[in-house]
Amino acid sequence: EIVLTQSPGTLSLSPGERATLSCRASQSVPSSYLAWYQQKPGQALRLLIHGASSRATGIPDRFSGSGSGTDFTLTISRLEPEDFAVYYCQQYGSLYTFGQGTKLEIK
Amino acid sequence: QLQLQESGPGLVKPSETLSLTCTVSGGSISTSGYYWGWIRLPPGKGLEWIGSFYYSGSTYYNPSLKSRVSISVDSSKNQFSLKLSSVTAADTAVYYCARHSGAVAGSMGAFDIWGQGTMVTVSS
Repeated sequence: EIVLTQSPGTLSLSPGERATLSCRASQSVPSSYLAWYQQKPGQALRLLIHGASSRATGIPDRFSGSGSGTDFTLTISRLEPEDFAVYYCQQYGSLYTFGQGTKLEIK
Repeated sequence: QLQLQESGPGLVKPSETLSLTCTVSGGSISTSGYYWGWIRLPPGKGLEWIGSFYYSGSTYYNPSLKSRVSISVDSSKNQFSLKLSSVTAADTAVYYCARHSGAVAGSMGAFDIWGQGTMVTVSS
């Protein structure tokens, strides 16, 4: 099983700042099948990125994904108030496993 | 617009069977190329994939839960269901149904549409 470790656990930033979230895999993710999701309280999870770097339909271009192999990054270029949420990474190259999540909170 | 909605008991006794249903609206479960699945989020832990299926009947389960899980589909009602047997407190979680984003080589794909989730507590 591929174990995903997200860091940091909590990230405190201000609107307008740049956020960098990390997801490290215990072994190489096949075909860079790595996705990122956003979760807000009481709302359904929202797919942001798939295939490590492809934005899902309707996702603003301030969200970008990068990486390959075992190291992946989600970057939010300029934080908007609505971006403060919990973010999960997921690999779907070898069954399906998720990271523990990073909480992005307002500083 | 495709929407998914989970339903079922919020409280289940230990050793009993947890049963949940996902109702799909705005689209068909039988759409070619799309798989559907169940995921859960235990309190204080990360998301865990439970299992998925294709409308034609193929099912795929998390090896860690395989002996206790069953997923079935009712295409006439555009619903699919989850049964998890012999539950313990460790099965307490928010349960989500979701659609895979479309099969890619070797994978059913990420999850692009999610339900809002339903909390299930295992307690006597």
